Amino acid sequence: DQQVKQNSPSLSVQEGRISILNCDYTNSMFDYFLWYKKYPAEGPTFLISISSIKDKNEDGRFTVFLNKSAKHLSLHIVPSQPGDSAVYFCAAHSGAGSYQLTFGKGTKLSVIP
Amino acid sequence: DAEITQSPRHKITETGRQVTLACHQTWNHNNMFWYRQDLGHGLRLIHYSYGVHDTNKGEVSDGYSVSRSNTEDLPLTLESAASSQTSVYFCASSPGQGYLGTQYFGPGTRLLVL
Repeated sequence: DQQVKQNSPSLSVQEGRISILNCDYTNSMFDYFLWYKKYPAEGPTFLISISSIKDKNEDGRFTVFLNKSAKHLSLHIVPSQPGDSAVYFCAAHSGAGSYQLTFGKGTKLSVIP
Repeated sequence: DAEITQSPRHKITETGRQVTLACHQTWNHNNMFWYRQDLGHGLRLIHYSYGVHDTNKGEVSDGYSVSRSNTEDLPLTLESAASSQTSVYFCASSPGQGYLGTQYFGPGTRLLVL
């Protein structure tokens, strides 16, 4: 049973526009959420995170929104740049002494110049 | 600078052979993890360790083993390689108790089992 779901395998956006990547989760014990970015032939790199006590976290062009009641989070990239083209993974941490992350399957973002 | 490295970066082996993938981190992190990435599955946890001599099974541990004899290294062994283990393998680490979430990943090892 997939606990973290990224239902869009791919997304194409024009340069300069907003990219919105979505993630849904099923486990109400998740207390911390992260987004990772992955380029081909490289390891995932941490992008931005949000604690379950917040509903928004912003870092430059990247903003993550958390809707706990809907068990939904989203990553907004504004404005999108060609260098943002990558696979984005949503991940969740379940706390309670665990340091494991549960990852979604990823969304491949293509930013078209 | 502190870092996490994996070796080899590419490996071709034959079915039935034993293969060991190395992971080394210089952050002095207590927690280390091994994942595999396959198309349509994202990142799946194979094994993890929360400290020296501690090892735990993850979601897809069958056919794999790890050992943690020091803080810096967590080698992943495929006891008898199978074609289903063709994948890209990532090692990650994170600080220990009291720290939430963020894991730092190595560059990956691409393994082909023929």
